[in-house]
Amino acid sequence: DAMVIQNPRYQVTQFGKPVTLSCSQTLNHNVMYWYQQKSSQAPKLLFHYYDKDFNNEADTPDNFQSRRPNTSFCFLDIRSPGLGDAAMYLCATSRGFPSTDTQYFGPGTRLTVL
Amino acid sequence: DQQVKQNSPSLSVQEGRISILNCDYTNSMFDYFLWYKKYPAEGPTFLISISSIKDKNEDGRFTVFLNKSAKHLSLHIVPSQPGDSAVYFCACTSMNYGGSQGNLIFGKGTKLSVKP
Repeated sequence: DAMVIQNPRYQVTQFGKPVTLSCSQTLNHNVMYWYQQKSSQAPKLLFHYYDKDFNNEADTPDNFQSRRPNTSFCFLDIRSPGLGDAAMYLCATSRGFPSTDTQYFGPGTRLTVL
Repeated sequence: DQQVKQNSPSLSVQEGRISILNCDYTNSMFDYFLWYKKYPAEGPTFLISISSIKDKNEDGRFTVFLNKSAKHLSLHIVPSQPGDSAVYFCACTSMNYGGSQGNLIFGKGTKLSVKP
């Protein structure tokens, strides 16, 4: 009965090689979020979708893009990963926005950049 | 510049005793506060929340206290159990502002270990 699923759980890529991380949800929630969490740091919001409306955080690098083809799926594309992009990437969903609506997190994808 | 600070990276408590996890924030716009709990290899899960119109919210063994003047909140777990061992994240947000003000701003987390 997994609600927010992230694939793969571990991803290894090479410096500069594009990579896509995947998130799917069975909750039928309107909002989907992508967070980046570096080691011993706080999760940091990269962007979120409210339905098809994309909302990018001001300090999210252009290297990070996202797609939401339908309600259930959301993708994080890193166009040219650098060593500094190695992190845990967390996907979350909520029924609405703002964030007083409970966010449901997936288990994360740990990205390694060689 | 961290808006949400959890100054204790780790905390160790004996089973049956009280665990107190602390969180400080700097942004006076924050008016809604949450605690998330994270087990290894799992995503964070919502634990308890409090709005700024209250100073205390209780749910079973978990109580969150809010001191608005000090910009400080704490999570009390009584009695602590080994299954409570996890990383606890404090998160803050604004209910009444649009755009990025509605985002969750997380602290770095405190790792709680409850010893049997």
